[in-house]
Amino acid sequence: GENVEQHPSTLSVQEGDSAVIKCTYSDSASNYFPWYKQELGKGPQLIIDIRSNVGEKKDQRIAVTLNKTAKHFSLHITETQPEDSAVYFCAAISQGGSEKLVFGKGTKLTVNP
Amino acid sequence: DGGITQSPKYLFRKEGQNVTLSCEQNLNHDAMYWYRQDPGQGLRLIYYSQIVNDFQKGDIAEGYSVSREKKESFPLTVTSAQKNPTAFYLCASSVGTQNPTEAFFGQGTRLTVV
Repeated sequence: GENVEQHPSTLSVQEGDSAVIKCTYSDSASNYFPWYKQELGKGPQLIIDIRSNVGEKKDQRIAVTLNKTAKHFSLHITETQPEDSAVYFCAAISQGGSEKLVFGKGTKLTVNP
Repeated sequence: DGGITQSPKYLFRKEGQNVTLSCEQNLNHDAMYWYRQDPGQGLRLIYYSQIVNDFQKGDIAEGYSVSREKKESFPLTVTSAQKNPTAFYLCASSVGTQNPTEAFFGQGTRLTVV
C-alpha cells in the first residue's frame, strides 16, 4: 500500500522568510496530492492540492511542486506570517480501486514575529 | 450550511465501556473516513466507506467498528477491545472514488478514557 514520508517534523522560521516542507510517496499509481493545515484543536483544512498531470501549482503565497519520477512533492510558503503557524500534513491517494487517503506524519511550523 | 459534523467534541469513557462517536455530513458525499490522531503520529486510518452499506478496514481497525446505513452518517464505535483508546478522532468525507478530490474534515472528537 501507499506510504507517505514527510520532513521535517518541526520547522521554525522568522516572519517574512520562506518555509519548505517535503514529502515522498511510494505508490507510483498515486495521482492526487493534497496539503492540509491543522490549527490546534481543529480538523485539518485543505490549503492546496495538485494532480499528477501538473508539475506546479500556486495560490498566492503557497505553492506545491510535484516530481513524479522521483515520487516526491513539496509545499512552499513564501513571506511567512505568524498566522501560518500550524501543523501541515501532506497526503496521497490513487484513483480507482480502494480510495485510501494516506497522510504523512505532519510538520509543526512556527513563524516567529 | 453544508459541512461535516462530529459530536460530541469531548467524550469521557470508563475502561471496559463501548462508546460511539457520531459523524454526519450534508455534502452528498459518497466516501467517508475515520482517522485517529496521536501526538507525533499524524493521521492514521481506522475505517473508510466508499458507498452506503459497504466499508473497509484501514490500517488500525482493531478494537473499532463502524456502520454505513445512510449516506450521510458514518458512526464509529470504540469497543472495550481497543487497548489505548484515548486520542483525537477525525471524520472526513469526499465526493467519491471516480476522481479523487478534497476531503472535508469535521472538528474532531477528543476521547479520554478515565
